[in-house]
Amino acid sequence: ETGVTQTPRHLVMGMTNKKSLKCEQHLGHNAMYWYKQSAKKPLELMFVYNFKEQTENNSVPSRFSPECPNSSHLFLHLHTLQPEDSALYLCASSQDGGTSGRAVTETQYFGPGTRLLVL
Amino acid sequence: EDQVTQSPEALRLQEGESSSLNCSYTVSGLRGLFWYRQDPGKGPEFLFTLYSAGEEKEKERLKATLTKKESFLHITAPKPEDSATYLCAVQANSGYALNFGKGTSLLVTP
Repeated sequence: ETGVTQTPRHLVMGMTNKKSLKCEQHLGHNAMYWYKQSAKKPLELMFVYNFKEQTENNSVPSRFSPECPNSSHLFLHLHTLQPEDSALYLCASSQDGGTSGRAVTETQYFGPGTRLLVL
Repeated sequence: EDQVTQSPEALRLQEGESSSLNCSYTVSGLRGLFWYRQDPGKGPEFLFTLYSAGEEKEKERLKATLTKKESFLHITAPKPEDSATYLCAVQANSGYALNFGKGTSLLVTP
């Protein structure tokens, strides 16, 4: 496997279900991100992890719970979601999320996404 | 507040008909401007990073340019396989998060 992978690619869940999205990056990066992409809206940053530590939470509802056990893996745990949470959830990674202190521009590389439908 | 506006929202071209996509931005200190291509049901695919006004980058039929207020993605003699949504994003000096525009949906017909 190369790049950034995400599983599952498609997920249908009821409002009372609990499910998890998984992301794995094979690029040797130290920063990982969750984005939400809804129709007709820009990508919305949800969470950022640098070296396994959460460094940003963009006012995301608590029904979304991220987990980063190591620099290569990122999870998004879902529970009691609402129909408006239906979207494409994208994972991305970059070298170190700016934590090195260097004033460098970091490219983020994206996975294929998980298409989520909440019924 | 950082803002990214892309135009047009949608563009239909005939094969071989060159055109440009626009990305206007306001940011408190630009660290980088990114262009991505996204095919339906897939994640964004990185195309270019531009760092400073006057910079240009090329890849096959695509050429990206940058000024202090906007970036253009020029498509020369497009082919049907260039059909996709093109996303622009800016990264400010204050952080590393990307602020995306809504994208331009490009359709190239034979």
